[in-house]
Amino acid sequence: DAKTTQPPSMDCAEGRAANLPCNHSTISGNEYVYWYRQIHSQGPQYIIHGLKNNETNEMASLIITEDRKSSTLILPHATLRDTAVYYCIVYHPPAGKSTFGDGTTLTVKP
Amino acid sequence: EAQVTQNPRYLITVTGKKLTVTCSQNMNHEYMSWYRQDPGLGLRQIYYSMNVEVTDKGDVPEGYKVSRKEKRNFPLILESPSPNQTSLYFCASSWGRLNTEAFFGQGTRLTVV
Repeated sequence: DAKTTQPPSMDCAEGRAANLPCNHSTISGNEYVYWYRQIHSQGPQYIIHGLKNNETNEMASLIITEDRKSSTLILPHATLRDTAVYYCIVYHPPAGKSTFGDGTTLTVKP
Repeated sequence: EAQVTQNPRYLITVTGKKLTVTCSQNMNHEYMSWYRQDPGLGLRQIYYSMNVEVTDKGDVPEGYKVSRKEKRNFPLILESPSPNQTSLYFCASSWGRLNTEAFFGQGTRLTVV
């Protein structure tokens, strides 16, 4: 099963871009990369996902390397409300299992 | 409003007393899943269900049971709870296995004494 590796913590200045890396070197060709975040102990919230192309939505951008072994989540203008634990997840078809990484605690500072 | 509802939100129980944590979604999702979250261990999948009457084990299924008799409901059953099942539990649902986002409930904080 593909596993993910993320740095345990990162800081970012308010208003600056936050770049959160994720390593998934054993990802297979049909597995998607998803990002979620969790604020305090609330239920995780979906951010974005991708297969091989870069993706962008209203919350963030996802950059996946050409070899798909790593990805970066970009929050273009971080705010204090973006302080959370960010999880990079690889889905495992066809069984439907999902493996969460340990997550990165992002702290946005004024 | 699209949502996943868990009940109860908080529960303190005693070892060995059977309990059920309910999960219900109103989005007609096929896929539902249960996770537990413990300090330093992140989110670990307990069981998941691809559709009605279809369930499978996740990474930490021991001590838990699930059922999926209706599409909207996916209860988590602890037949004989033990203190090591004290945890924060989340239910999630989505349209399918791939290429869809999952919606999470607000969590159930369970304490077994």
